[in-house]
Amino acid sequence: SQQGEEDPQALSIQEGENATMNCSYKTSINNLQWYRQNSGRGLVHLILIRSNEREKHSGRLRVTLDTSKKSSSLLITASRAADTASYFCATENSGGSNYKLTFGKGTLLTVNP
Amino acid sequence: SQTIHQWPATLVQPVGSPLSLECTVEGTSNPNLYWYRQAAGRGLQLLFYSVGIGQISSEVPQNLSASRPQDRQFILSSKKLLLSDSGFYLCAWSVLHAFYPQETQYFGPGTRLLVL
Repeated sequence: SQQGEEDPQALSIQEGENATMNCSYKTSINNLQWYRQNSGRGLVHLILIRSNEREKHSGRLRVTLDTSKKSSSLLITASRAADTASYFCATENSGGSNYKLTFGKGTLLTVNP
Repeated sequence: SQTIHQWPATLVQPVGSPLSLECTVEGTSNPNLYWYRQAAGRGLQLLFYSVGIGQISSEVPQNLSASRPQDRQFILSSKKLLLSDSGFYLCAWSVLHAFYPQETQYFGPGTRLLVL
């Protein structure tokens, strides 16, 4: 079953604007990851945040994690047309197998030039 | 550096025909290996994962099977394809950590399968 649920399902913005995507999950986690997928391609890892971290930055990406609300957000600042892609959150659940990630259904981000 | 290969990139098969998709990883040893399926516009469904040669765990009942004949080779098979097997199949690998939380997974380019 799906653990992460991204919100919104689709987001359309203009170049230069910020894009915020949210992810909610149901069970306790060890870490949460965000991936990006260009149309018809494989997924690319963007950033990992551990359960004891609250915020993490990587370039124009900012990820927050609120374990009390079981939610995470991915912020892309100063978006570019090349950021157009689907974005997925994935969780590694604590107490379960250490081998598996559970992916959400993704947010389709369109950045208009 | 590590690379992951999948082939073929695209496949069109008739219903009832067999299937073999191959995935190989280079530049690492003892990886965890994964097969996912992605329906159009949807998230990823984990089909199989493997933590070693000959060790396969199945996540969902289906008419697909997986094998790992070598350390860095993962094969997805079917004896008779169904229409519902159409989708985008992704192979991924990660570093094996038996006692630590899962780290990054690295994905191949995918195989688009259309069953007619």
